[in-house]
Amino acid sequence: DIQLTQSPSSLSASVGDRVTITCRASQGISNHLNWYQQKPGQVPKLLIFAASTLQNGTPSRFSGSGSGTDFTLTISSLQPDDLASYFCQQSYSAPFSFGPGTKVHLK
Amino acid sequence: HLVESGGGVVQPGGSLRLSCAASGVSFSAYGMNWVRQAPGKGLEWVAFIRYDSVNKYYADSVRGRFTVSRDNSNNTLYLQMNSLRPEDTAVYYCAREGISAVTGTAFLYNYFDPWGQGTLVIVSS
Repeated sequence: DIQLTQSPSSLSASVGDRVTITCRASQGISNHLNWYQQKPGQVPKLLIFAASTLQNGTPSRFSGSGSGTDFTLTISSLQPDDLASYFCQQSYSAPFSFGPGTKVHLK
Repeated sequence: HLVESGGGVVQPGGSLRLSCAASGVSFSAYGMNWVRQAPGKGLEWVAFIRYDSVNKYYADSVRGRFTVSRDNSNNTLYLQMNSLRPEDTAVYYCAREGISAVTGTAFLYNYFDPWGQGTLVIVSS
């Protein structure tokens, strides 16, 4: 089974800051890596699939990169609306595991 | 939309069947997933069923206790949960498989989209 780790587990940043979240897979998954955003009290929402392709409606300040085992989600300029938890998820093989999540707080 | 139902409070060792009704979204041509989230915790993938029910996959934590099924004629997904444990307490989401091609690659990529609003299962005596 493929395990995903994320770092950091939480972070505090100011509006306008560049934020980077890392996801690492226990084995190579090519670019079969997705990112989800979950705001407090809401349902998870797909942000990025195939490691770097923005889902329709995802703001352009979000970007994803990586391949193999190491992946990154970047928010180029943090906005108040980005207060949320972010989860990576691999779709390479079952079980389709999620990372433990990164909670983004605003300073 | 995907709408889950069937959650509630059940004693340890008990059973529950969750349903996920699809409307306004294509259902029969797509795989479906169950994902759960324990209170204050992260997301845990639970089960997947292929569009034609030929393939089913389960998380180790539920294999042998949970069974995923679907009725394409009624656009409904199910999760039969038996031998429930306190650690199964969670919000259970259904999520449709999304499939997209990416320009410049020969692959199709899968993801979870859309999601239902979730149904809460509490296992407690």
